[in-house]
Amino acid sequence: AQSVTQPDIHITVSEGASLELRCNYSYGATPYLFWYVQSPGQGLQLLLKYFSGDTLVQGIKGFEAEFKRSQSSFNLRKPSVHWSDAAEYFCAVVPRGGNEKLTFGTGTRLTIIP
Amino acid sequence: KAGVTQTPRYLIKTRGQQVTLSCSPISGHRSVSWYQQTPGQGLQFLFEYFSETQRNKGNFPGRFSGRQFSNSRSEMNVSTLELGDSALYLCASSSTGGSDTQYFGPGTRLTVL
Repeated sequence: AQSVTQPDIHITVSEGASLELRCNYSYGATPYLFWYVQSPGQGLQLLLKYFSGDTLVQGIKGFEAEFKRSQSSFNLRKPSVHWSDAAEYFCAVVPRGGNEKLTFGTGTRLTIIP
Repeated sequence: KAGVTQTPRYLIKTRGQQVTLSCSPISGHRSVSWYQQTPGQGLQFLFEYFSETQRNKGNFPGRFSGRQFSNSRSEMNVSTLELGDSALYLCASSSTGGSDTQYFGPGTRLTVL
């Protein structure tokens, strides 16, 4: 079955430490890939997206993500987190070739400790 | 450009009532999508409208309906409310839909008592 999976429900990271949030997908063809962030009480904001080409994608707020076809993964990274990065992060996909609706993973809640 | 706006931001209703939520997309955007967000089910796609036509639909009962006006503004209606309809309802707009970047509004928090 087609799916997008975020294995980590909750991650706690110290301020200044590096971060990696995992995302795996299961689709016949590589879908369009997105990462969104949702701060408490807010809507979702796009961090970055991958359609094709360079597998390392740069986004806003210092985030980047790497597409790995062999692992069906699109993991989000940040070298040094800030307290303001505490939020919920969603990986999302749009399948290629019909029925192009945005499907979200279950989200990863990020807590930053001093 | 102004972002996506949703009204009202908060709503409290009782079971059996109906509710209408409104979404104003970013100027020039013709696609509006609606999502339901709950702690148990996460973010689920409701439907997408493009140029006043429903182009895509998620797996929700017929109590959930929507429409889009000629100015691209969209409304979503839920009839015969159930307790399980309590959720954050998010609207997103994009130029053409599909893989085009979607911009989200702040959501409407619906509580059904």
